[in-house]
Amino acid sequence: TQLLEQSPQFLSIQEGENLTVYCNSSSVFSSLQWYRQEPGEGPVLLVTVVTGGEVKKLKRLTFQFGDARKDSSLHITAAQPGDTGLYLCAGARAGNNRKLIWGLGTSLAVNP
Amino acid sequence: NAGVTQTPKFRILKIGQSMTLQCTQDMNHNYMYWYRQDPGMGLKLIYYSVGAGITDKGEVPNGYNVSRSTTEDFPLRLELAAPSQTSVYFCAGGSRAGGLYEQYFGPGTRLTVT
Repeated sequence: TQLLEQSPQFLSIQEGENLTVYCNSSSVFSSLQWYRQEPGEGPVLLVTVVTGGEVKKLKRLTFQFGDARKDSSLHITAAQPGDTGLYLCAGARAGNNRKLIWGLGTSLAVNP
Repeated sequence: NAGVTQTPKFRILKIGQSMTLQCTQDMNHNYMYWYRQDPGMGLKLIYYSVGAGITDKGEVPNGYNVSRSTTEDFPLRLELAAPSQTSVYFCAGGSRAGGLYEQYFGPGTRLTVT
């Protein structure tokens, strides 16, 4: 059973389009992180959200943490080929923040 | 700072051989982690450490061993390589920033066991 479900699993879009990917769980997390992984590289931390309802922006990327702290979304505006990669969400549970619960990722391809 | 470095980048092992995957960090992280990543299977935690001299098992520890004699180094040992250990291995350092355990990854080691 995957504690963090990410959808869609794969996404292929044209440059300039907008997209949203989701990270859902039935469990409550004390914080949730988003990482991007490019082929042949390790994941790179993009953002951490902590408070229910929190919204954080990183240039064209907008991250939101659900009010109940069970889910999160990542919205990309005007996607560019450089956004191509695997987007992973990872949650930390209260009382056990040392180990993260990982989703399987959304593989995004942005075509020029 | 180099961050988290891993060696080697690629390795091919024969069944039954042994090897050590090296991981070094210069970010003074107390926490360090070893993951394996198989296609479509996500990141699986093998072992982790919360400080020098302290290690603990993750989800998939069988067939692996670790040690943490210094803050900087966290090597992963494969004693009797098996085809099921073919994978990409990532080491990560963890920082407790404001109570958040954010992780910073190395570039990975791609291991093939034949």
